[in-house]
Amino acid sequence: AQSVTQLGSHVSVSEGALVLLRCNYSSSVPPYLFWYVQYPNQGLQLLLKYTTGATLVKGINGFEAEFKKSETSFHLTKPSAHMSDAAEYFCAVTPMNTGFQKLVFGTGTRLLVSP
Amino acid sequence: NAGVTQTPKFQVLKTGQSMTLQCAQDMNHEYMSWYRQDPGMGLRLIHYSVGAGITDQGEVPNGYNVSRSTTEDFPLRLLSAAPSQTSVYFCASSYVTGDTEAFFGQGTRLTVV
Repeated sequence: AQSVTQLGSHVSVSEGALVLLRCNYSSSVPPYLFWYVQYPNQGLQLLLKYTTGATLVKGINGFEAEFKKSETSFHLTKPSAHMSDAAEYFCAVTPMNTGFQKLVFGTGTRLLVSP
Repeated sequence: NAGVTQTPKFQVLKTGQSMTLQCAQDMNHEYMSWYRQDPGMGLRLIHYSVGAGITDQGEVPNGYNVSRSTTEDFPLRLLSAAPSQTSVYFCASSYVTGDTEAFFGQGTRLTVV
């Protein structure tokens, strides 16, 4: 079975500051890992994903995440926050061996960006 | 290219009523799924389908029914609405591989009174 833990339901940063959103996962088989972003009253949009290969993955809007197997983590970072980054972010996992996506989501982290 | 289209966007139901949430995609994706989103609980999988005629239960299937008669459509039926089914419902579609991007609809906000 898979599960995802996102530490912090809300994270507040100032514009220009580093963004760090934490995600830890549990999976009995090698996982695929994803970060999705949700803007108000919208569906979810893929930010980035880890499948195989390079453990540091880059996504849209300057975000990146690093897969650390030893720490079972997939934290999301951005060097400099922008006001437009304010949204809710979801980490998700799916097992590598099912052949399709049964995404298990974390509870989400709302990013607040102040001027 | 419309992507994933959900209708209606908003709905209010009385307890015991039934209704169908519609989901259609135009990307020829084999895999479709329904999630519900509740505050502090993230998104939870209700039902999913890997192709026409094939459906299976997710994490929270009770009170919901699905069918998949075509590749494009994947309706979600509430058989007898309960206040606990008040939620935002999202439909998603993707290719049948684990490492692909899932495309989400805009959601249906359902209130059961």
